[in-house]
Amino acid sequence: NAGVTQTPKFRVLKTGQSMTLLCAQDMNHEYMYWYRQDPGMGLRLIHYSVGEGTTAKGEVPDGYNVSRLKKQNFLLGLESAAPSQTSVYFCASSYVRLTYEQYFGPGTRLTVT
Amino acid sequence: RKEVEQDPGPFNVPEGATVAFNCTYSNSASQSFFWYRQDCRKEPKLLMSVYSSGNEDGRFTAQLNRASQYISLLIRDSKLSDSATYLCVVNQAGTALIFGKGTTLSVSS
Repeated sequence: NAGVTQTPKFRVLKTGQSMTLLCAQDMNHEYMYWYRQDPGMGLRLIHYSVGEGTTAKGEVPDGYNVSRLKKQNFLLGLESAAPSQTSVYFCASSYVRLTYEQYFGPGTRLTVT
Repeated sequence: RKEVEQDPGPFNVPEGATVAFNCTYSNSASQSFFWYRQDCRKEPKLLMSVYSSGNEDGRFTAQLNRASQYISLLIRDSKLSDSATYLCVVNQAGTALIFGKGTTLSVSS
């Protein structure tokens, strides 16, 4: 099993450009999450999904949109990238949100110039 | 007050040392507690869950004090491979996990 995979691994965008980050998991997990990690800020939840076709806002959702059309995939979109969105983005999944282990993907390093 | 607070360190210790990390959380309704480990430029991975009775996994011991809203992680006989950032993680009913900013450990020979 590949676990949780993320594409791309690295990306440089210019301000105003758009892009989509793809997360895929092969563990049949119901719950999926998108985090961003910045120096000195720790991991912050952007959006999450408790099942196919459902999404919800996390702590820092502004500037991002998500979609969960298939159970195994969770997409994170940036419609108009800003330098403040320069960060490392991690996707994670879990069987049960409340008490179970979250499995993380390897991360996407995004720089917005 | 931040929801989950950790001493950022870094903790610099020699091989074989015993080191302890502390974490405090602000919401008394928190129900689940974890320690995750994150290597440099890698994804976080679960190290261990923390139970009210305390639990041990090899050289690692985790303790929870609900009255003081305090979690600890003790590492005995530190190895070079223990060098990483340790994230304290807390969950409240009906919410997602809340991650602390992490404590950095550097073990030297």
